[in-house]
Amino acid sequence: QSVLTQPPSASGTPGQRVTISCSGSSSNIGSNYVYWYQQLPGTAPKLLIYRNNQRPSGVPDRFSGSKSGTSASLAISGLRSEDEADYYCAAWDDSLSGDVVFGGGTKLTVL
Amino acid sequence: QVQLQESGPGLVKPSETLSLTCTVSGGSVSSGSYYWSWIRQPPGKGLEWIGYIYYSGSTNYNPSLKSRVTISVDTSKNQFSLKLSSVTAADTAVYYCASAGVVPAAISLWGQGTLVTVSS
Repeated sequence: QSVLTQPPSASGTPGQRVTISCSGSSSNIGSNYVYWYQQLPGTAPKLLIYRNNQRPSGVPDRFSGSKSGTSASLAISGLRSEDEADYYCAAWDDSLSGDVVFGGGTKLTVL
Repeated sequence: QVQLQESGPGLVKPSETLSLTCTVSGGSVSSGSYYWSWIRQPPGKGLEWIGYIYYSGSTNYNPSLKSRVTISVDTSKNQFSLKLSSVTAADTAVYYCASAGVVPAAISLWGQGTLVTVSS
């Protein structure tokens, strides 16, 4: 059971816009930045979005992030076949001594 | 650019201690405000944060693993290490070493990962 809740799957056709949600609580998303990671099959995760909505250098602007209250979303516009991957949200959690918490991951299928 | 590479046994017996090392190349493990971290991923499952050692030497661990985990740094070898004691089959996973800057959740650099299987 992950601390952050994501839908297990999402899908879309090429060119479409898809969104992936991430729900948390006041101790994590509600009071800290959200990060998104993309994991292509058989590879290590890659930082996709940092500080809720910032893209690292090299990440296409088709990817965008947002946060409201204790929830966050990742949006992918102009969907491409190479976007088929697992996506994870993450945040710092202030409870106890503090730790990094991940969502359970969302498998995105490009139909 | 900085690169990370995990190394260690791919097979560990139940009740024994899992030991992995991450070699940092292209940078120094003792410079900069980095959180040198370990994350794992059981086969077919999601990511689980194990913990980090800050460049200053302070550590922080996942509460669910805290009693069994030790992360340390060897500055002479430019490496950081993970020890997980009393392993069971539930500890079978791909283990990633990684580094985060600014805050621990901003994991900007990952190793390729190494599969560790716990089995007799």
